Amino acid sequence: DGGITQSPKYLFRKEGQNVTLSCEQNLNHDAMYWYRQDPGQGLRLIYYSQIVNDFQKGDIAEGYSVSREKKESFPLTVTSAQKNPTAFYLCASSTRASGSPGDEQFFGPGTRLTVL
Amino acid sequence: GQSLEQPSEVTAVEGAIVQINCTYQTSGFYGLSWYQQHDGGAPTFLSYNALDGLEETGRFSSFLSRSDSYGYLLLQELQMKDSASYFCAVSGNTPLVFGKGTRLSVIA
Repeated sequence: DGGITQSPKYLFRKEGQNVTLSCEQNLNHDAMYWYRQDPGQGLRLIYYSQIVNDFQKGDIAEGYSVSREKKESFPLTVTSAQKNPTAFYLCASSTRASGSPGDEQFFGPGTRLTVL
Repeated sequence: GQSLEQPSEVTAVEGAIVQINCTYQTSGFYGLSWYQQHDGGAPTFLSYNALDGLEETGRFSSFLSRSDSYGYLLLQELQMKDSASYFCAVSGNTPLVFGKGTRLSVIA
C-alpha cells in the first residue's frame, strides 16, 4: 500500500523546546514538501526538497529546519526560534515539483502541534 | 510573486450546482490545480488545467482562462459529503502556491 505517513497525529510541547515531525513516503517520489496550515490561512510552504540532499526555503522557513538524507524521509524540526509554532503541519510528496498532471501532490494525514 | 483570490465561504443546497472562483497573479504560469480538504483531513487532488477550457471529471468540472488569469471549480448534484474546503493552486517557476481556500457548506 503506497502512501505518505506522518507521526505523531497530535503533539504537545513546552515553549522553548525543539520538536521534530516525521514524514515518510513509499511512493518513490523525488519531491517532498512541508506546509503549515492555520485557520483561514490556507497552506503555506515552509520547505521543499526536489532531490535527496537538497532542499529550498519556502515562504515561511524562519524558525524551521529540515533534512533530506533519504528519498523516503523528510523530517521537519520546529525550533524554539519559531515564534508561534502551534499549527497543523502537512507533509506532501510528488513525482516532481511542477504541479502538472502526474505531478500532483499527495498529502499525509498531518500533525497537529500544540505548544503550551 | 504569486497570489490567489477565492471566496472564503460558499453555501449551497443539496442537489444544486455551485461554482467556486479563483483569480491569480503569477509569473511563469504552468497550470491551475484544485484540491479538496475535509475538516481535520489531508488535502486531495481534484483537477488540473493547463490550457483554456473546461475539464470534466464526474460531478466536478474545472475551467481555466489564461488570458483572464481566472479559473473556477464547478460542483454539480451537490451531496452532503461535498462539504469541505476547496483550494486552488498555481504552478509556475516555483512549487505550488495555494489560495486560502473556500469553505463549502452543503445544506439540506
